Amino acid sequence: AQRVTQPEKLLSVFKGAPVELKCNYSYSGSPELFWYVQYSRQRLQLLLRHISRESIKGFTADLNKGETSFHLKKPFAQEEDSAMYYCALRSGGYQKVTFGTGTKLQVIP
Amino acid sequence: GAGVSQSPRYKVAKRGQDVALRCDPISGHVSLFWYQQALGQGPEFLTYFQNEAQLDKSGLPSDRFFAERPEGSVSTLKIQRTQQEDSAVYLCASSLGADEQYFGPGTRLTVT
Repeated sequence: AQRVTQPEKLLSVFKGAPVELKCNYSYSGSPELFWYVQYSRQRLQLLLRHISRESIKGFTADLNKGETSFHLKKPFAQEEDSAMYYCALRSGGYQKVTFGTGTKLQVIP
Repeated sequence: GAGVSQSPRYKVAKRGQDVALRCDPISGHVSLFWYQQALGQGPEFLTYFQNEAQLDKSGLPSDRFFAERPEGSVSTLKIQRTQQEDSAVYLCASSLGADEQYFGPGTRLTVT
C-alpha cells in the first residue's frame, strides 16, 4: 500500500527565513511525487512535480529514494506563501493519487 | 477557458437523505476523479473514470456511494442514506490522461 506522511500540521516561519516542508512516502515501486498548494479561499492546485525538476515560485523539491522523502524547500519565505501544502504520490502510470494530511505554512511578517 | 466546476457548493442533508453532487470537468479532459476530504485531512481518492468507464472505484467507502459519468463528460456522485460520517468536502478533478489534475472548488456536505 502507498502512504504519504507529512509530520507537521503547522509550520510558522518569519518572512525571509528558509522554509522546509517535510514529506515522506512509502511505496515499493517507482512513484511520481507532487506538491499541491491551496491558498485561502482558492482551489487545490499543482505546485510542482518531481519529474519536471522545476522551481515554481522559488520552491524546489528533490526526490530522495534512499530516504523516501520529497521535502519542499524555499530559501526565503514570502507572506504570499502562506497556504496549505499537500504532498502527493502517484504510482507509476496508474492514476490514483494518494495525498498526505497537509501542512499549513504560516509566514509571519 | 472555464475550469472544473462543481454544484452545489454547499449541501446540508438530514441523516438518511440521498444526495447527488455534480462535477463538470474541463472540456476534453478524458480522466475524472472524485476525492473526499474530511476536516483536517488530505483528499482521499474515491473513484476514477476514463471517459465513461469507471476504471477504479476502490476508494468508495460503502455501497451507499455511487458515481457515474454516462456520456464521458459530466459526472455525478450519489450518496444514499447519508450518515454523519459522510460530512466532508467532495472534490472533483479532471485531467488529460496522465497529465496534471485540475481540481474543482469542492462541495461541502454537512449531514445533520
